[in-house]
Amino acid sequence: DQQVKQNSPSLSVQEGRISILNCDYTNSMFDYFLWYKKYPAEGPTFLISISSIKDKNEDGRFTVFLNKSAKHLSLHIVPSQPGDSAVYFCAAPRSGNTPLVFGKGTRLSVIA
Amino acid sequence: DAEITQSPRHKITETGRQVTLACHQTWNHNNMFWYRQDLGHGLRLIHYSYGVHDTNKGEVSDGYSVSRSNTEDLPLTLESAASSQTSVYFCASSSGGHSYEQYFGPGTRLTVT
Repeated sequence: DQQVKQNSPSLSVQEGRISILNCDYTNSMFDYFLWYKKYPAEGPTFLISISSIKDKNEDGRFTVFLNKSAKHLSLHIVPSQPGDSAVYFCAAPRSGNTPLVFGKGTRLSVIA
Repeated sequence: DAEITQSPRHKITETGRQVTLACHQTWNHNNMFWYRQDLGHGLRLIHYSYGVHDTNKGEVSDGYSVSRSNTEDLPLTLESAASSQTSVYFCASSSGGHSYEQYFGPGTRLTVT
């Protein structure tokens, strides 16, 4: 079963506007979440994370929001830039020191 | 600077051949992972290791094996390559403990003909 779901395969946004990427999870035991960014022909790189004790974490233009009751998190990018065009993966460790479970990814295209 | 490297970056092989993909990290991380990325599937875990001589199966481990003889390397072996194993393979490492962040290599694109 897919424990981390990214239901939007792709998203197009105009430069300067807000990009919102969504992620849903089914396992209520998940207590930490990460977002990775991937450019073509490169490995994924860590972008931002959030612990379940918080509902928001901000790093520059990137903010992740966590709604535990809805089992939903979102990544906001403001303002969006053409260099943000990439595939974004949501991930969570199953429990403790275990490998990450990844969503299928959302391809973001920022149009100049 | 510490890094994680993969070789080769591209590989074409024939069905039935044994293939080994190399992964080397200089982070001195205990944890290492192998994933494959396929369209429509995202990143799927193949095998992982929490230390020397430790190996564990992931969700798509059939047809693959790993061994960990030192901290730096986790080679991935396809015992008898199949066309279904055509994919992009990523190696990753993490320090473990309370750090969940994984550092990924640049990937190996494998084509099985």
